[in-house]
Amino acid sequence: DAKTTQPPSMDCAEGRAANLPCNHSTISGNEYVYWYRQIHSQGPQYIIHGLKNNETNEMASLIITEDRKSSTLILPHATLRDTAVYYCIVRVARGTNAGKSTFGDGTTLTVKP
Amino acid sequence: DGGITQSPKYLFRKEGQNVTLSCEQNLNHDAMYWYRQDPGQGLRLIYYSQIVNDFQKGDIAEGYSVSREKKESFPLTVTSAQKNPTAFYLCASSVTGFNTEAFFGQGTRLTVV
Repeated sequence: DAKTTQPPSMDCAEGRAANLPCNHSTISGNEYVYWYRQIHSQGPQYIIHGLKNNETNEMASLIITEDRKSSTLILPHATLRDTAVYYCIVRVARGTNAGKSTFGDGTTLTVKP
Repeated sequence: DGGITQSPKYLFRKEGQNVTLSCEQNLNHDAMYWYRQDPGQGLRLIYYSQIVNDFQKGDIAEGYSVSREKKESFPLTVTSAQKNPTAFYLCASSVTGFNTEAFFGQGTRLTVV
């Protein structure tokens, strides 16, 4: 799996968009970008994933640059409950284990009132 | 409800004793995984299993053992050979194949005294 680089921490005001960056400059053509988050002392929760097109679901949007070397997770209207550690992971999705991933240290997002 | 259950949530053991952590899933997932998380750090893969009666070592398997006798169960034994067993242990499961995500349990916090 390709290595990812994320800032260790970020703050966001409640109600504003939270934009979490991730660099994955060594990503290969068959690797997807996945995002998970972990609220303190709980198991990680899947958020979203994508290959090269931008993706949106009920939780977030994922913007992947054209060269695929970086991506941004967007939480459109952050709430206090979005305070968590956010992990960006790149992995081959086709025919392999979804859970066999390398989780780095992630970004600690703190949403402030 | 379908999900993945880890028990107990907190576990205390004396140094030198083996201890087994439970992980059960009713999602009909083929693949299951065990991760270890130390304070302020990401997740590290201990063992994973793609199918019943088969499992592979992850990045930090020394001092741990697993079994996969049933599809829904993947217990992890922390043996006395594990030098620093105190940690947060997370179990996950996933379908195998294309474009999937992992589902995590709520974790077991093991403290060895």
